[in-house]
Amino acid sequence: QSVLTQPPSVSAAPGQKVTISCSGSSSNIGNNYVSWYQQLPGTAPKLLIYENNKRPSGIPDRFSGSKSGTSATLGITGLQTGDEADYYCGTWDSSLSAGHVFGTGTKVTVL
Amino acid sequence: QLQLQESGPGLVKPSETLSLTCTVSGGSISSSSYYWGWIRQPPGKGLEWIGSIYYSGSTYYNPSLKSRVTISVDTSKNQFSLKLSSVTAADTAVYYCAIHLITIFGVVIIRSYFDYWGQGTLVTVSS
Repeated sequence: QSVLTQPPSVSAAPGQKVTISCSGSSSNIGNNYVSWYQQLPGTAPKLLIYENNKRPSGIPDRFSGSKSGTSATLGITGLQTGDEADYYCGTWDSSLSAGHVFGTGTKVTVL
Repeated sequence: QLQLQESGPGLVKPSETLSLTCTVSGGSISSSSYYWGWIRQPPGKGLEWIGSIYYSGSTYYNPSLKSRVTISVDTSKNQFSLKLSSVTAADTAVYYCAIHLITIFGVVIIRSYFDYWGQGTLVTVSS
């Protein structure tokens, strides 16, 4: 069972904006950088955001990340049909069960 | 650009040991910048980090799997490997290898994320 909680699904029409929340605790998000991953159907996850809000080369600025306290948020603006995918947050958890943890995942549906 | 490719048996019997190898191309596994990680995803479910290794052999393991996992590195072949013992049907998953960026501040890890990923390989545990 993941220690990072995400909504199971979000949806919006093309061109609209969606936000995905990732809720954790002081042992993970509260004291570590957050990353976000996009997993298109049948493919491997791809890094979207690292260090809370940085985008790797090639990731459009429609994708943004932020962090406040023990929660993080991924935003997608100008939603496109190609954005329909599963999205996961991730970070290091420094508790007694230390290790990298992923969020529960959120399915983005473009209506 | 670095590329990773998983390889190994697609079918493993219960109670046996799952063995996978990840071959790195386009760069050296001995890079001081990276750890090398394994992540898995059961069918229809989320991602689970298994463990990661540095070229020197230093490892981090998921505490929930630590008793059954061994990750090793072969710098001469530019490969790293995963062994998971005493498998059950619950270990059926797509297994990914990936570049793991870790930043350590003192003795604390403050940054951890996975950059490039392999395409993944499905391993089914069944008799």
